[in-house]
Amino acid sequence: DTEVTQTPKHLVMGMTNKKSLKCEQHMGHRAMYWYKQKAKKPPELMFVYSYEKLSINESVPSRFSPECPNSSLLNLHLHALQPEDSALYLCASSQAGHSNQPQHFGDGTRLSIL
Amino acid sequence: AQSVTQLDSQVPVFEEAPVELRCNYSSSVSVYLFWYVQYPNQGLQLLLKYLSGSTLVKGINGFEAEFNKSQTSFHLRKPSVHISDTAEYFCAVSEGGTSGTYKYIFGTGTRLKVLA
Repeated sequence: DTEVTQTPKHLVMGMTNKKSLKCEQHMGHRAMYWYKQKAKKPPELMFVYSYEKLSINESVPSRFSPECPNSSLLNLHLHALQPEDSALYLCASSQAGHSNQPQHFGDGTRLSIL
Repeated sequence: AQSVTQLDSQVPVFEEAPVELRCNYSSSVSVYLFWYVQYPNQGLQLLLKYLSGSTLVKGINGFEAEFNKSQTSFHLRKPSVHISDTAEYFCAVSEGGTSGTYKYIFGTGTRLKVLA
């Protein structure tokens, strides 16, 4: 069983739609991450939140907007996406402030842009 | 900046045979190393981690890895594989950022295919 829960599991949207991806964890982790993963590639880091503040933005286009409303929730708001944004979006969490703490991943949201 | 190299993109192996998946890293400072497995349509699951201490690390599902500082390697091994081990395997090193934030540097992954 995954301890990081992502919804929805699948999402199909048009290029003009607005949608949100959600991620929830109850492990008391204060670092949360969004990744984008294309087929047969490793995950690419998009954003990192530490203690509910955005600490890393890997030059992600503004059509992706992250939000961390509390220590258990992480959202990714999507608007005007492009076909190349179709991918598996993974959320992860870990203890904050320690480089030796492993990240725990959810099962992802598979996003398809029409 | 650190980097992680997984030279083998695919490794085919027969069921019940041993397997080794290779991972090399580049770092001049203390490293924390991780192996993850990803089954189809799932997220990444932690197999094992090296933080410090014993260089032989045992993980879940019968996997183990050996940290070799002189060769900057962290190869993953299993003495006898099962069909269910067919998956993508990622090696990662933890890298420090600003304000105590850390991120992973992933290798490109190795697809293990176990043949009957």
